[in-house]
Amino acid sequence: DIQMTQSPSSMSASVGDTVTISCRASQAISSWLAWYQKKPGKAPKALIFAASNLQSGVPSRFSGSGSGTDFTLTIRSLQPDDFATYYCQQTDSLPYTFGQGTKLEIK
Amino acid sequence: EEELVQSGAEVKKPGESLRISCKTSGYMFIDYWIGWVRQRPGKGLEWMGIIYPADSETKYSPSFEGQITISADKSTATAFLEWSSLKASDTATYYCARHRLGLGIDNWGQGTLLTVSS
Repeated sequence: DIQMTQSPSSMSASVGDTVTISCRASQAISSWLAWYQKKPGKAPKALIFAASNLQSGVPSRFSGSGSGTDFTLTIRSLQPDDFATYYCQQTDSLPYTFGQGTKLEIK
Repeated sequence: EEELVQSGAEVKKPGESLRISCKTSGYMFIDYWIGWVRQRPGKGLEWMGIIYPADSETKYSPSFEGQITISADKSTATAFLEWSSLKASDTATYYCARHRLGLGIDNWGQGTLLTVSS
């Protein structure tokens, strides 16, 4: 299985900040990477597919980049609704493994 | 509107069997893979497996193979996740998730909380 490692595991930021979350794959996955937002008690929400493509309805302050083994999720101008846990997932080969998550907390 | 609506919370004893469901609407059920993701209390997301309803081809994560059964009913556009003998370690919230192979999950059910306790 492909292992996905996110960093940091947790971070704090303020409304209006720009934050970057990293995700590294244990082997090259081209651009086959997705990002999700998860809030307690809620279903995950799909944010990005194929490394840099926004899902329909996702605000443009979210962006993704990377290819091969290293990827980033950037959130610009943080809004109160953005404080959540973020997961990357490789979609290159089954099983589609997730990273361990990055918890973004308000400072 | 495309929707995935899951069955309600369950409380079961170790050794019991269970099938939970995910009823879909608003899109062609047979055109998409659909699968299940586990989240244990305080833990991250774990991909369990998927099924292609058109032909019932199923793919499991090695971590779950032999422990669960994923199935689908085309006539009701419903996917299922089944256990034959539950363990306390199965306590978790389970999400059904519509997949596009290579592109990941684009739609999620609301989750089913399963508690397994004697």
